[in-house]
Amino acid sequence: KAGVTQTPRYLIKTRGQQVTLSCSPISGHRSVSWYQQTPGQGLQFLFEYFSETQRNKGNFPGRFSGRQFSNSRSEMNVSTLELGDSALYLCASRRTSGGGTQYFGPGTRLLVL
Amino acid sequence: TQLLEQSPQFLSIQEGENLTVYCNSSSVFSSLQWYRQEPGEGPVLLVTVVTGGEVKKLKRLTFQFGDARKDSSLHITAAQPGDTGLYLCAGASSNDYKLSFGAGTTVTVRA
Repeated sequence: KAGVTQTPRYLIKTRGQQVTLSCSPISGHRSVSWYQQTPGQGLQFLFEYFSETQRNKGNFPGRFSGRQFSNSRSEMNVSTLELGDSALYLCASRRTSGGGTQYFGPGTRLLVL
Repeated sequence: TQLLEQSPQFLSIQEGENLTVYCNSSSVFSSLQWYRQEPGEGPVLLVTVVTGGEVKKLKRLTFQFGDARKDSSLHITAAQPGDTGLYLCAGASSNDYKLSFGAGTTVTVRA
């Protein structure tokens, strides 16, 4: 069974631009969560989507948004990029929103210059 | 402030030695997971523990969940260079199942 896939794997943007990252969950998984990983803050939860609805949200500004499509694929968008947004963005999928093992993708490495 | 405190932050040992990584919190978790992450990749799940006092073994890795479900440890016996990586613990709450991660322990096993 194919794992979680994320595209693109690497991205370079400049301050003020916006970016969209994509995540395809494991087949049959309907929940997708997004995390930001930085050396200083570690792994921090951004939000979770289940059945096209946001179920949970972390403590990030409104510049960070996401959505989920009917096929469970998810995208996250960051607008007005700041230098501090440079990070590894990870998505994880699981069967349902109410517990269960999360499986992570390889991440998208975003560098903001 | 991390909800889960991991210690030590860094660990460098010789091949064949044993090591223990700790994960502590003041919060109670419905389950706790351990992941290993290699550079440029996402975390890979090693184990999930759900019952207080539970001990799980995965070859040379032993995982323990505290009786009060607030802390956990990972013990590696006879470490090998392939055990090198960032070890992360993550706790899931019972109400929203959101994962809270520790800052991680970077383990380096020298040949």
